[in-house]
Amino acid sequence: AQSVTQPDIHITVSEGASLELRCNYSYGATPYLFWYVQSPGQGLQLLLKYFSGDTLVQGIKGFEAEFKRSQSSFNLRKPSVHWSDAAEYFCAVGRYSGGGADGLTFGKGTHLIIQP
Amino acid sequence: SQTIHQWPATLVQPVGSPLSLECTVEGTSNPNLYWYRQAAGRGLQLLFYSVGIGQISSEVPQNLSASRPQDRQFILSSKKLLLSDSGFYLCAWSVRDQPQHFGDGTRLSIL
Repeated sequence: AQSVTQPDIHITVSEGASLELRCNYSYGATPYLFWYVQSPGQGLQLLLKYFSGDTLVQGIKGFEAEFKRSQSSFNLRKPSVHWSDAAEYFCAVGRYSGGGADGLTFGKGTHLIIQP
Repeated sequence: SQTIHQWPATLVQPVGSPLSLECTVEGTSNPNLYWYRQAAGRGLQLLFYSVGIGQISSEVPQNLSASRPQDRQFILSSKKLLLSDSGFYLCAWSVRDQPQHFGDGTRLSIL
């Protein structure tokens, strides 16, 4: 069975500082990987996805993520955070690009706090 | 463009009462549809999945059921709510090889 671990429940970063959110997955084959962001009381918005090809993927809002097969990781990064980036971030893995019969398996999320 | 609508946005129900949450998708045909539940401090748990009208797959045994009476309509139901059914319910859709897109969710509180 596939699983996703986000080891940091909370992360606090100063505005303008760089950010890295960690994600490790367990899956027997090449996975489809996703990062979603959730603002309080809202649904999830897709930040970026990895399907194949270049292991460094660019997303919206200045985020990027790097797929490292040897480390089973898909960490999310941003060079300079803005106060509006404060939210909950979820890493997810799927057997199919659209989720398929298994849907997506999500990590428990990382709550990002931005200090002024 | 495709859009997804969920309603209601919030709902407060007594224990033992019935439930009906609705999700509709516009701008696409024959989407895969999903219901997830998000409990406080936890990630998202897939509840139901549907590839077409009348085709429902359940991921976990529970007090809830789902139906898909129309191509772009997905309904989450219960005959008698339990306290443990409280949570944030999210509907999502996907087509072919595209990622899942989520609605804004329904906050369900059971009293």
